[in-house]
Amino acid sequence: AQTVTQSQPEMSVQEAETVTLSCTYDTSENNYYLFWYKQPPSRQMILVIRQEAYKQQNATENRFSVNFQKAAKSFSLKISDSQLGDTAMYFCAFMKPSRSKLIFGQGTTLQVKP
Amino acid sequence: EAGVTQFPSHSVIEKGQTVTLRCDPISGHDNLYWYRRVMGKEIKFLLHFVKESKQDESGMPNNRFLAERTGGTYSTLKVQPAELEDSGVYFCASSPHTGTSGSHTQYFGPGTRLTVL
Repeated sequence: AQTVTQSQPEMSVQEAETVTLSCTYDTSENNYYLFWYKQPPSRQMILVIRQEAYKQQNATENRFSVNFQKAAKSFSLKISDSQLGDTAMYFCAFMKPSRSKLIFGQGTTLQVKP
Repeated sequence: EAGVTQFPSHSVIEKGQTVTLRCDPISGHDNLYWYRRVMGKEIKFLLHFVKESKQDESGMPNNRFLAERTGGTYSTLKVQPAELEDSGVYFCASSPHTGTSGSHTQYFGPGTRLTVL
């Protein structure tokens, strides 16, 4: 069975600085998808970034980028130039395309400080 | 385009009562998912509809939970009778027809916070 682990329950970063959130996963599959979702306080969860396992190039979305290490089964999220609006809980998730369900990590609460 | 909506946003009920949660997916999305997050734990999959059919219900905890998706549009999740351990946040998500662009991205609703006393 696939598992996803986020080892950092809470993190904080100063505004404008860079922070990296860790995520590791366990699977015997070769083809899969990885996601980072964020849930701001009292708001709904939205997709931050996604990565297809067959793509070697790391995905980027503006200030958000990932470091995808397939052999190490690691999928970290880097947030550059952190903004107050980045304060949220961040969830790493795994999906086998054939099964469609998302398997989530425990979440990391990120606080961006002014 | 309207996002995924869920009703109610909060529900507080007594143990043994019945509660029905509703989810309206993004219009045209064939896939609809239910997830649950119990306090302090990870978000866990409950079930997956493709249109009106249950594709995967392997995450449903027990037979006190009943999910339906009449006509392949909105979905309801009924808990009867509710137990204390059912408390948590219930999320609904939807995604487009499998094989279309973006079909692997799930769009989430705001969740329903259920408290069973």
